[in-house]
Amino acid sequence: SAVISQKPSRDICQRGTSLTIQCQVDSQVTMMFWYRQQPGQSLTLIATANQGSEATYESGFVIDKFPISRPNLTFSTLTVSNMSPEDSSIYLCSVEPGGARETQYFGPGTRLLVL
Amino acid sequence: GNSVTQMEGPVTLSEEAFLTINCTYTATGYPSLFWYVQYPGEGLQLLLKATKADDKGSNKGFEATYRKETTSFHLEKGSVQVSDSAVYFCALTDQGGSEKLVFGKGTKLTVNP
Repeated sequence: SAVISQKPSRDICQRGTSLTIQCQVDSQVTMMFWYRQQPGQSLTLIATANQGSEATYESGFVIDKFPISRPNLTFSTLTVSNMSPEDSSIYLCSVEPGGARETQYFGPGTRLLVL
Repeated sequence: GNSVTQMEGPVTLSEEAFLTINCTYTATGYPSLFWYVQYPGEGLQLLLKATKADDKGSNKGFEATYRKETTSFHLEKGSVQVSDSAVYFCALTDQGGSEKLVFGKGTKLTVNP
């Protein structure tokens, strides 16, 4: 398994601003993922972030809006840029410590409210 | 593409009742199947998983069997407790190597004393 922390745990932001969310893992992992959970909805994958390569974004998500960094094997950031109220969601990072086809473990999430 | 369909919620039960939450999937190949649980105010936790047909995942009294013939992975528990109140998500991973988790819409369970 893996222990994952996220910062901040929650935030209230003004529209037009940006927020960077941090994800820290207690062990080295190759694959990290960022998900969004809109209010009352399921989780949707934003992008996959592997160390040493550019993040791979899912359909409907673009790098300009959700830039991701992955500087090492234990850390990643997701920035939500030029926010609007529609970006109000829970953002979760997850890791797959065992490699391909293993279980993903999730962080506690960052609850974002955009006014 | 791959997809997961869960029974509509919310589900309200009395303590010690029997629980079934239906989950069916559409996928090419042989996906791994998961149930995740989200307790109020918390992040997702893995509840159980199964990686091949006829496997049974179990944890905390919950069980689910990977049924390839019916493309199902229904979650069951014989006697629910108030502490089981949460949102339950069925999910699968794509065999194709992307490791992307595809989630169902979630089923909210409330257990009353």
